[in-house]
Parts: sequence; structure tokens; C-alpha cells
Amino acid sequence: NAGVMQNPRHLVRRRGQEARLRCSPMKGHSHVYWYRQLPEEGLKFMVYLQKENIIDESGMPKERFSAEFPKEGPSILRIQQVVRGDSAAYFCASSSPGTSGFLYQETQYFGPGTRLLVL
Amino acid sequence: GDSVTQMEGPVTLSEEAFLTINCTYTATGYPSLFWYVQYPGEGLQLLLKATKADDKGSNKGFEATYRKETTSFHLEKGSVQVSDSAVYFCALAMNRDDKIIFGKGTRLHILP
Repeated sequence: NAGVMQNPRHLVRRRGQEARLRCSPMKGHSHVYWYRQLPEEGLKFMVYLQKENIIDESGMPKERFSAEFPKEGPSILRIQQVVRGDSAAYFCASSSPGTSGFLYQETQYFGPGTRLLVL
Repeated sequence: GDSVTQMEGPVTLSEEAFLTINCTYTATGYPSLFWYVQYPGEGLQLLLKATKADDKGSNKGFEATYRKETTSFHLEKGSVQVSDSAVYFCALAMNRDDKIIFGKGTRLHILP
């Protein structure tokens, strides 16, 4: 049973280029979350998606960043015109729709992350 | 807004020492609480969780009790090993389909 998969694991881009990060959720999971971890910081929520829908993008920068989770295929986090401040580890997590009741958080399983370095 | 505060690291202990990493939270409702662990170069792994007051989460010798009266979820282990060296994140989430709010993490070094 494969876990959450992310690729690439490491990505190097020059300023102004585009970065595309991919996330394949665990089998049976239809909810995907993206988080960013800056050096020596905790993870910060970016966006929460279900298939073909963005549910919560309150943590996404308003410019240059976009995310999608199509009906088929992985979720994509896209960063246009990257800048040095975008250098970070980007983690994807997935969860199932949940059966334990509205109040309880379904466990999110994290991928290994993509480490983006902008030169 | 909702937030998590955990003790700053790094924390350095000798093998077999007792470990406590403090964590307190601020939330408007009744969150689920988590401890995640991140080993070098890897993603986060869920270590343990508790979903309501007085619940105790436990795994791999680690424990944490959800204390509503003190809004705390301190992580403890009776005898640490070198392999426990990692960064530990305390976190909360308010509802089932919701983002997780993380603390800044505590780096733990265990010396042989």
C-alpha cells in the first residue's frame, strides 16, 4: 500500500522560471493538502483540495501560486516566476473523506516533500 | 486565531533520559491534537493523536494527554534512544476536513 508520493524530491530553479510539484495521494484518499516549510520553521498550510475543487486556499499567496487536483492524475502545485523566497520544502498530505464524525480530524498522511531551491 | 506554542529547541539529552516537550494551544472550540515527528530529510509522520479532553495518545513509548483545563498536550517518553533524534511538531485541527496548524517544532538530540 503505497503512501503519499511526491515528485520531484528535489527541484532547482532559477529566478523567473516555473516550478511544478506533483502529489499522488494514498489510494482511496480524495482530499489533498499542501503545506510549505521554510527553514527552521513549522509547516504552514497553503491549500486544501478535493477532486476538481479548491476547498480552502486561505494560505496561498495571492500571486504566482496555483493548485489543482484534477479528476484523473496527481495534484499539482504550480509556482510561476519563482523568487529566492520560494525556496522551501513543500509537503503534500492526503486524507480520506472520513467516517468518524464531523468533529474529529481524519488523519492526514504526509508525503516525503519536494525541496525547492531557487538560485 | 488558533495557534500552537511549543518549547524551543534544541533539546539535548543523554540516552535513557526522561523527555518532556511542552505544548500549549489556543483554540476557539475543541480541537484534535497531534504530535508529528520529522526525521532528517524526510516528511512528517504522525506519532500520536488525541481527539477529546483527557484522551491519552501513545505510540513507540511516547505519550501525550489532552488537558483541556491547561490547554496543553505535552509529549513525554520515559527513556529516550539515539534513534529518537528528530524534530517534533505539536499540532491541532479544528474540524474533520480542515488544515492542521503546526507549532514551530522542537529539535531533539539524543547523545549515546
